Amino acid sequence: DIQMTQSPSSLSASVGDRVTITCQASQDISNYLNWYQQKPGKAPKLLIYDASNLETGVPSRFSGSGSGTDFSFTISSLQPEDVATYFCQQYSNLIITFGPGTKVDIK
Amino acid sequence: EVQLVESGGGLLQPGGSLRLSCAASGFTFSGFGMDWVRQAPGKGLEWVAYTNNDGSAIYYADSVKGRFTISRNDVKRSLYLQMNSLRAEDTAVYYCVRDKGVTYAMDVWGQGTTVTVSS
Repeated sequence: DIQMTQSPSSLSASVGDRVTITCQASQDISNYLNWYQQKPGKAPKLLIYDASNLETGVPSRFSGSGSGTDFSFTISSLQPEDVATYFCQQYSNLIITFGPGTKVDIK
Repeated sequence: EVQLVESGGGLLQPGGSLRLSCAASGFTFSGFGMDWVRQAPGKGLEWVAYTNNDGSAIYYADSVKGRFTISRNDVKRSLYLQMNSLRAEDTAVYYCVRDKGVTYAMDVWGQGTTVTVSS
């Protein structure tokens, strides 16, 4: 099975900072990589699909890039409401797996 | 409004069975693939099972294969998860999720239903 590693596991940044999270797949997954935001006690929310496409209604400060095995997710200007855990998710070979998550908070 | 509402969670002993249901509204249910995703307390997300829009393609995580069965009833606009031989490690919030087209991006999530397996 394909393994997903995500880094860092947590980060603390100031409001307005640029924040980047990386996700690495153990095998080539083309662009079958999606990003989610989960706030405490809530269901996850899709932010980015197919590695770089912004889901409808999601603020443009969120972006994604990458293909193959290496992907990144960026918040261009961190806002207080972005405090959450972020997960990457891949599909390949009839199996879906999530990364372990990155917890983002405000410094 | 596009909505998924899960039900059927509860507390049960190891070895027991439970059937989760998910009622869909606000979209053409028969046109979408659907998943169950779970999250153990304080842990990350784990995909459980997938069915395509007509039930002809079904996949399971290795951790539940042979014990769980996903199914759908398009007339009732409902998704189900039959869970047998439950274990303590199946304890989690179970989410019903809609797939966005063919990319397996999960664009609509229910609020979740809690399953607790404990003696």
